[in-house]
Amino acid sequence: SAVISQKPSRDICQRGTSLTIQCQVDSQVTMMFWYRQQPGQSLTLIATANQGSEATYESGFVIDKFPISRPNLTFSTLTVSNMSPEDSSIYLCSVVVADTQYFGPGTRLTVL
Amino acid sequence: QKEVEQDPGPLSVPEGAIVSLNCTYSNSAFQYFMWYRQYSRKGPELLMYTYSSGNKEDGRFTAQVDKSSKYISLFIRDSQPSDSATYLCAMSAWTGNKLVFGAGTILRVKS
Repeated sequence: SAVISQKPSRDICQRGTSLTIQCQVDSQVTMMFWYRQQPGQSLTLIATANQGSEATYESGFVIDKFPISRPNLTFSTLTVSNMSPEDSSIYLCSVVVADTQYFGPGTRLTVL
Repeated sequence: QKEVEQDPGPLSVPEGAIVSLNCTYSNSAFQYFMWYRQYSRKGPELLMYTYSSGNKEDGRFTAQVDKSSKYISLFIRDSQPSDSATYLCAMSAWTGNKLVFGAGTILRVKS
């Protein structure tokens, strides 16, 4: 398995600002994903972030809005840019270990 | 039509009951099937992982996959109040690949 931590655990932000979410894993992993879970809904994949390559974004998500960094095999960041109330969600990172996907605790974001 | 359909519930059962949670899917390429449990304000926790069709049992939990019907189930025996959570089915075409999730079923086990 993998132990995943995220910072911050929650935040309240003003419209138009940006927030960077950090994801730290206790072991080196190649594949890392970022998901969004909007209130009362299931998880939607934002992008796949593999070390050494550009992140791959899913339909409906763009790099200008959700830039991702993956500087090494244990760390990644997701930035939510120019936020609006519609960005209020839980943001989760996940990693693949032994062909199984594990999730972090999530970052609960509220945009006012 | 969504790729994965799951009744959001809520499903309310008495303690000790057998719980049946289900998902249907449309993409015949899916081969890997997972059930995650998510407690309030926590990240999803992997419960069961199944490849292709068949059954898998782990303690009080049994996962079933019927690829011919594109239908998967999770059974919980002797349900406990601590089982109260949201249960998410998830699936992928390749191991370790991105997951497609169902909407999640809210389960409440009453003592």
